[in-house]
Parts: sequence; structure tokens; C-alpha cells
Amino acid sequence: DQQVKQNSPSLSVQEGRISILNCDYTNSMFDYFLWYKKYPAEGPTFLISISSIKDKNEDGRFTVFLNKSAKHLSLHIVPSQPGDSAVYFCAASFLGRDDKIIFGKGTRLHILP
Amino acid sequence: DADVTQTPRNRITKTGKRIMLECSQTKGHDRMYWYRQDPGLGLRLIYYSFDVKDINKGEISDGYSVSRQAQAKFSLSLESAIPNQTALYFCATSDSRPEGAPAFFGQGTRLTVV
Repeated sequence: DQQVKQNSPSLSVQEGRISILNCDYTNSMFDYFLWYKKYPAEGPTFLISISSIKDKNEDGRFTVFLNKSAKHLSLHIVPSQPGDSAVYFCAASFLGRDDKIIFGKGTRLHILP
Repeated sequence: DADVTQTPRNRITKTGKRIMLECSQTKGHDRMYWYRQDPGLGLRLIYYSFDVKDINKGEISDGYSVSRQAQAKFSLSLESAIPNQTALYFCATSDSRPEGAPAFFGQGTRLTVV
């Protein structure tokens, strides 16, 4: 049972436009949601997180929105830049449970010139 | 120098061989993790450690063992490698953040078992 789902394997966005990456989850007990970014031949990099008690968290060009009723979160990148081309992983975790973080399969974002 | 360093970066080994993947970090973090990534799948946790004396199994620990030699070093061993352990392996570290999630990853070790 896939508890964290990223249904779009890839996404192409024009440079300067908004990139929206989506993630759905099934377990309403998750305490945190996280986004990671991964370049080829590198390890993932933590990008941004949001607590389940919030509905928005912003960090520079990156904003994560959480819709608990829909069990859906999204990562918005505005404006999109060439360096944003990477694979983005959505993940969910429980407070204090390092063994229970669940990762999605990832979405490859292509920023077009 | 990278904050989290994994060696080797690539390795091809034969079925039945013992192999060790090493990880060292300069972040000063207590928490260290080993993950594997298979094509088209998300990361899955193999083992994690909160300090030298605290080692815990993750989701897919069967066939693996770990050693936390020091705060900065966490190695992963495959006692008798098998082909379905062919994967990309990542070591990661974290400070004591509430999300319970790794923050800094190494560059990965691509392991092929033939």
C-alpha cells in the first residue's frame, strides 16, 4: 500500500513560470510532510517541510500547501529557474518516529528555456 | 569537502560476497541513516542510528547489518550479497528535528550484484 503518492512521473515548465508538484497521501496521522530535491549523481537535499497543523509554509521561491481534507499537498516554485530541474520527492513522517518516514516515487521537473 | 561522504561511489560485486559501504559525516549530527533507492521507487530505510550505542532496524533490514564506529561513521554491510540488493544506497544525517527525517545525504553508492 503506497501511503505517499506522486502521480506525475515528470513535469515540464517554462522558465519564469510557476511549477506545481503534487503529492497525495492516505494516512491522516502523518505529523509532517517534506519535500526533497535530487540532482543526478547526487544525494537528495531537504527543501522544505510543513507541519500537519499548518496549511502553508513558505521559503523564498518555494511554498508548500497542505490540504488535509483532501489529503493533498503541493510544492509551488515561483518563478521557475533552470537550476530547479531535478527530481522532487515528497515524504511524510510521524513526530519522533525516524523509522516511519515514507517517501513518494518522485517527480522529474524539467525547466524549459 | 562534502558534509556526508560515502565510499565507494560505485561497486560491482559477485553474489555471495561480503561488502561494506562506508559513510562519514562532518555535520556533528547524532542521527545517521542508510537508505536504498530502486528505479521508479522512493527511498526506503534500511537502518538508522541515534548514537553509537543506539542502532535500529528500518523497513528493509533483512540481509543487511550496520556498525556505528563513531559519531561520524556509520557503515552498512551486506554479509552475502544477492542480485536483488542491486540498488543506489544513500547515507544521511540529521539533527534532532521534529520531522524525524534525514536532512543531509551523501552522494550515493551505486551497487551492482552480479
